Amino acid sequence: KQEVTQIPAALSVPEGENLVLNCSFTDSAIYNLQWFRQDPGKGLTSLLLIQSSQREQTSGRLNASLDKSSGRSTLYIAASQPGDSATYLCAVITSSGTYKYIFGTGTRLKVLA
Amino acid sequence: NAGVMQNPRHLVRRRGQEARLRCSPMKGHSHVYWYRQLPEEGLKFMVYLQKENIIDESGMPKERFSAEFPKEGPSILRIQQVVRGDSAAYFCASSPGTGGGKGDNEQFFGPGTRLTVL
Repeated sequence: KQEVTQIPAALSVPEGENLVLNCSFTDSAIYNLQWFRQDPGKGLTSLLLIQSSQREQTSGRLNASLDKSSGRSTLYIAASQPGDSATYLCAVITSSGTYKYIFGTGTRLKVLA
Repeated sequence: NAGVMQNPRHLVRRRGQEARLRCSPMKGHSHVYWYRQLPEEGLKFMVYLQKENIIDESGMPKERFSAEFPKEGPSILRIQQVVRGDSAAYFCASSPGTGGGKGDNEQFFGPGTRLTVL
């Protein structure tokens, strides 16, 4: 059974810092991995999607990497800003079954001005 | 192209009432997924539907919960005789399909329906 873990559960950093959020999964047979952002009381905003054949994806100040063999993904945020404060979720789609997303419990990020 | 739409955005019910949550997928999408986010927890898969078919309901509670995606109209998640533990955010997602092409399986999420049971 696929399990997704995110570490740390919460993180508080001063503005301008570069930071790394971690996501690990137990079954390496994944189809995609996707990072989302969720603001309090709001829906999900897709940040980056990495297909299983890819190693990384970049968008602006965000870079996500994927290492299937070790069951890990990292989300790198460069030059963090207070507007980056949110909960970051990673989700994997297993390659067997019905393509449902398995979500981690998230990392709650606070960037201090 | 409008995104995934869910309504209502907020729903308040008293214990024992029924809750109906609606989801209209993106245009051209024929696959719908429902997820539940309990307070202070991650999102959990509930059910996956295609038009007129339930494909995977392994995450649905065995009692009181049902889902449908008719040939015409939105997908409906129905909760009968709600209890306080049903209070959560319910998210719907849609995808074009499960083909082998890039992006076929990417799911696009709606804004969610926040259910409060008094």
